[in-house]
Amino acid sequence: DSGVTQTPKHLITATGQRVTLRCSPRSGDLSVYWYQQSLDQGLQFLIQYYNGEERAKGNILERFSAQQFPDLHSELNLSSLELGDSALYFCASSFSGSGTDTQYFGPGTRLTVL
Amino acid sequence: QKEVEQDPGPLSVPEGAIVSLNCTYSNSAFQYFMWYRQYSRKGPELLMYTYSSGNKEDGRFTAQVDKSSKYISLFIRDSQPSDSATYLCAMSEGTYKYIFGTGTRLKVLA
Repeated sequence: DSGVTQTPKHLITATGQRVTLRCSPRSGDLSVYWYQQSLDQGLQFLIQYYNGEERAKGNILERFSAQQFPDLHSELNLSSLELGDSALYFCASSFSGSGTDTQYFGPGTRLTVL
Repeated sequence: QKEVEQDPGPLSVPEGAIVSLNCTYSNSAFQYFMWYRQYSRKGPELLMYTYSSGNKEDGRFTAQVDKSSKYISLFIRDSQPSDSATYLCAMSEGTYKYIFGTGTRLKVLA
């Protein structure tokens, strides 16, 4: 168990809908990362937060947004969902958010868009 | 061309075999190299973390980095059925950003 928690485990929804994925980092970690994993693309970095502030953006669509709250938990919002958004979404956390830090991954949320 | 290339497998080996998993990369600025193990429907779990070139050993696992060839390897000795998983390599320049390989599926047959 990495200490990173994610809810829900599974989410099934329809095209055009909006969903929110939640992540709680390991105790003491200040940085949260979001990744998308699909069969053909592997793990793709979406966005990073450090202590409530956005630090870096990767391949995140404009329909997606995220935030990190004062208690350090983070939420990833996905809107106007398309079939292609079906994937595993992982949250990871690290202490300082630098590239020398180890990232610890949560168990993921499996999103299915029908 | 992807920054990190990894053979997707699947790789099937008998129990007790030595397994070699590899990644190549194109970005010479990568300095930090990681191997993650991912069981089906679970999150990636860090196995090995190395800085720059050289070898690192942890139990049955050995990570090797050859920066001159832009090639990293993970060796698993005395492989067990419980090692059956997808193995992801990841690399970083030392900034926030990890670049992951697509993963190699390993199956160890009892």
